[in-house]
Amino acid sequence: EVQLVESGGGLVQPGASLKLSCVASGFTFSDYWMSWVRQTPGKTMEWIGDIKYDGSYTNYAPSLKNRFTISRDNAKSTLYLQMSNVRSEDTATYYCTSSGKYRFFDYWGQGVMVTVSS
Amino acid sequence: QITLTQQAESLWVSPGEKVSITCRASQSLLYTDGKHYLSWYQQRPGQTTKALIYHASIRTDGVPTRFIGSGSGTEFTLSIEDVQPEDIALYYCLQTLKKPSTFGGGTKLELK
Repeated sequence: EVQLVESGGGLVQPGASLKLSCVASGFTFSDYWMSWVRQTPGKTMEWIGDIKYDGSYTNYAPSLKNRFTISRDNAKSTLYLQMSNVRSEDTATYYCTSSGKYRFFDYWGQGVMVTVSS
Repeated sequence: QITLTQQAESLWVSPGEKVSITCRASQSLLYTDGKHYLSWYQQRPGQTTKALIYHASIRTDGVPTRFIGSGSGTEFTLSIEDVQPEDIALYYCLQTLKKPSTFGGGTKLELK
């Protein structure tokens, strides 16, 4: 059974940094591009960025490129999202997703909530 | 970036009816391989988001045949025939033709 389990969320102050993790199981993690997606409290979905299966290439949403960094450790089947200088508008549920050869998001985690507030 | 518009924020339906959710793209989602990079997702409370359709019309494994994806170019539709109570959910379209990948605003299917 495929599982993606996110962790690392919580309440964080504006301007702080936070690192989210996503542990994958049930599939060959190193064969898949992986993405982070967030969903605002108003239910708007936003793609944050993705990383190539070998970690050699990343893409980001232009508005987030300077503050968010995606990385992976294939030996640990783990995807990461480093968030810096967080803002109130970063308050959302963050999901990791996998993307195979057909370039759709085939598996999703259950999500982790991040609340940015003083 | 490519904008996806789901016109209806909410749709009300009775069990057994057919409903259609539309998604319009700001440019064609047809790639040189002949495929449209448009997919559909279902989000039910308390469950992980589920991919229903990819390449505009191909159902993912295990998705009931009452879910039908159609369309081409810039206009796409997810139809649900014989709606079941478990189909009450949020539905999103997503384009992965060009980065940044973008989502539609979502359509909430509700029971009449």
